[in-house]
Amino acid sequence: AQKVTQAQTEISVVEKEDVTLDCVYETRDTTYYLFWYKQPPSGELVFLIRRNSFDEQNEISGRYSWNFQKSTSSFNFTITASQVVDSAVYFCALSEEGGSNDMRFGAGTRLTVKP
Amino acid sequence: SQTIHQWPATLVQPVGSPLSLECTVEGTSNPNLYWYRQAAGRGLQLLFYSVGIGQISSEVPQNLSASRPQDRQFILSSKKLLLSDSGFYLCAWSTLQIDYDYGYTFGSGTRLTVV
Repeated sequence: AQKVTQAQTEISVVEKEDVTLDCVYETRDTTYYLFWYKQPPSGELVFLIRRNSFDEQNEISGRYSWNFQKSTSSFNFTITASQVVDSAVYFCALSEEGGSNDMRFGAGTRLTVKP
Repeated sequence: SQTIHQWPATLVQPVGSPLSLECTVEGTSNPNLYWYRQAAGRGLQLLFYSVGIGQISSEVPQNLSASRPQDRQFILSSKKLLLSDSGFYLCAWSTLQIDYDYGYTFGSGTRLTVV
């Protein structure tokens, strides 16, 4: 069965620092999808990115970037020049071939950005 | 565009009372629907998912139940609440694609406190 590990329970940084959130996954499938979601204090989960297993290109979106490495089964998320509004819980998730019926989430990393 | 509605936003219920949380989706047909629970400071736990009207799969045995009386309506219920049922309940939907997984779209959540 697939598994997602976010070893960092909580991270605290000062505004403008860069921060990387780690995500390690386990799956036996060759086709799978990885996701990152953000949960701000309001509670709703907000989709950030999707990556399929055949696309190992790293992606950058503004201050956010994602590093997908199949060799280490990792899908890490970096926030550059963090801001207070980045404070949230971030979840990494994995779904295997066949669709979202079996999406598994990591335990989440709580990021606090202090002014 | 697709939207997902979840209500109520907050709920305080006494132990032993019944529960009914409702989730509806607009702008899509035959979605997969999910109920997740998030205990305070914890990760996401999948409770139920449904791939069609009347089709419910339970992930965790408990005193909660789910029903899907209409294609875009998903209800979470309990006959008698326990203190341990307190948490943040999230509804989500997805559309199963053969060749691509778009992940989940989440509702805004219901914060349930059992007293």
